[in-house]
Amino acid sequence: EVQILESGGGLVQPGGSLRLSCAASGFTFRNFAMAWVRQAPGKGLEWVSAIGGNDGSTYYAVSVRGRFTISRDNSNNMLFLQMHSLRVEDTALYYCVKDRGRWLIPAWVDYWGQGTLVTVSS
Amino acid sequence: FMLTQPHSMSESPGKTITISCTGSGGNIDSNYVQWYQQRPGRAPTTIIYRDDQRPSGVPDRFSASIDTSSNSASLTISGLMTEDEADYYCQSYDDSTRVFGGGTKVTVL
Repeated sequence: EVQILESGGGLVQPGGSLRLSCAASGFTFRNFAMAWVRQAPGKGLEWVSAIGGNDGSTYYAVSVRGRFTISRDNSNNMLFLQMHSLRVEDTALYYCVKDRGRWLIPAWVDYWGQGTLVTVSS
Repeated sequence: FMLTQPHSMSESPGKTITISCTGSGGNIDSNYVQWYQQRPGRAPTTIIYRDDQRPSGVPDRFSASIDTSSNSASLTISGLMTEDEADYYCQSYDDSTRVFGGGTKVTVL
């Protein structure tokens, strides 16, 4: 059974930093691309970042490029999102998701975590 | 590349509803379209992938298609049930962008 569990969310001041983690199990982690998708309160879904299974390729939404860094530890089945220079508009529930394939393209999710809440406020 | 969905739709139980997802800035059939269901207070789940494929466990009341003439994808839910009340998102991508539609809130009256 695929399981995805996010952690690391919390309250942070504007300009601050936060690191999200995602523990995955139930599949061969290195064989699948992973991604972060966020949802601001009462809003729709937004891609944040994605990373290939084992080729180091990455994708970032324009809104987070240069501030966020995605990484993974295939030895420990972990996905991370390091967030710097956080803004009020980064406030959202951040979902860790498993792609169906190894590469960034095609981009298609099959499993979602339950999310971790990031609140950016003074 | 962008995807546009109607903001909301409503229909009675037992009826059929079709949600559109119109592409702009690219051809909808150039890459796969996925659909996700998000019930209130829950994480999304995948109900359609690769344009029209249902993951195991998704009822065949859910179906999807691509219409190149209108550059759009559609999700059809037949035999509507109260449990189908949710937000539905289409999703696709191109060489440089991953994109979701804005979501459609479906109310089952």
